Amino acid sequence: DAGITQSPRHKVTETGTPVTLRCHQTENHRYMYWYRQDPGHGLRLIHYSYGVKDTDKGEVSDGYSVSRSKTEDFLLTLESATSSQTSVYFCAIAPGQGAYEQYFGPGTRLTVT
Amino acid sequence: AQKVTQAQTEISVVEKEDVTLDCVYETRDTTYYLFWYKQPPSGELVFLIRRNSFDEQNEISGRYSWNFQKSTSSFNFTITASQVVDSAVYFCALSYSGGSNYKLTFGKGTLLTVNP
Repeated sequence: DAGITQSPRHKVTETGTPVTLRCHQTENHRYMYWYRQDPGHGLRLIHYSYGVKDTDKGEVSDGYSVSRSKTEDFLLTLESATSSQTSVYFCAIAPGQGAYEQYFGPGTRLTVT
Repeated sequence: AQKVTQAQTEISVVEKEDVTLDCVYETRDTTYYLFWYKQPPSGELVFLIRRNSFDEQNEISGRYSWNFQKSTSSFNFTITASQVVDSAVYFCALSYSGGSNYKLTFGKGTLLTVNP
């Protein structure tokens, strides 16, 4: 199994508070991704990183920011959490892009009340 | 626009039946990659297979087989002699060049329930 962990695994927070989710990998992969999974929507890309300090937006990036200061860590921040951001968040890693499959972390279940 | 459609939201079969999960994709790229992932009830996402746009060979892995047809933009997944452990949500995904980097777009998934 790919060495990828997410923390926390579960979190309940209040509307308007900032929240940071962490993705940590031990594979030294260059590419890292954040997705959210919602019923009826499948997985949707929030942000991704193609190297340290190199990030770009996905299809549902509004209200989210990311940072990657080290190869192994990719942080997702909800600047001011809203109920619409209640979701399961998955981090993924890949050694390359295009033809390379992505390996997913165990997910973080976030509830915004 | 890049898009993946899994028209079957839910499928229910009885153990030992064969079942096919449909996946239709849209892309303007000539080079692209297709994937299938499995998400069992425990929630993790498991990679099953990758196929590139230049390789239309069908693939068989045990009870699993995949049929890639560029003419119909389809990449269907068949489970032969289904088992209860096959119960999961299955996602089809398309990797396409979105500018300087590739992005992965997923279908909405098909929930397969295999009943004993």
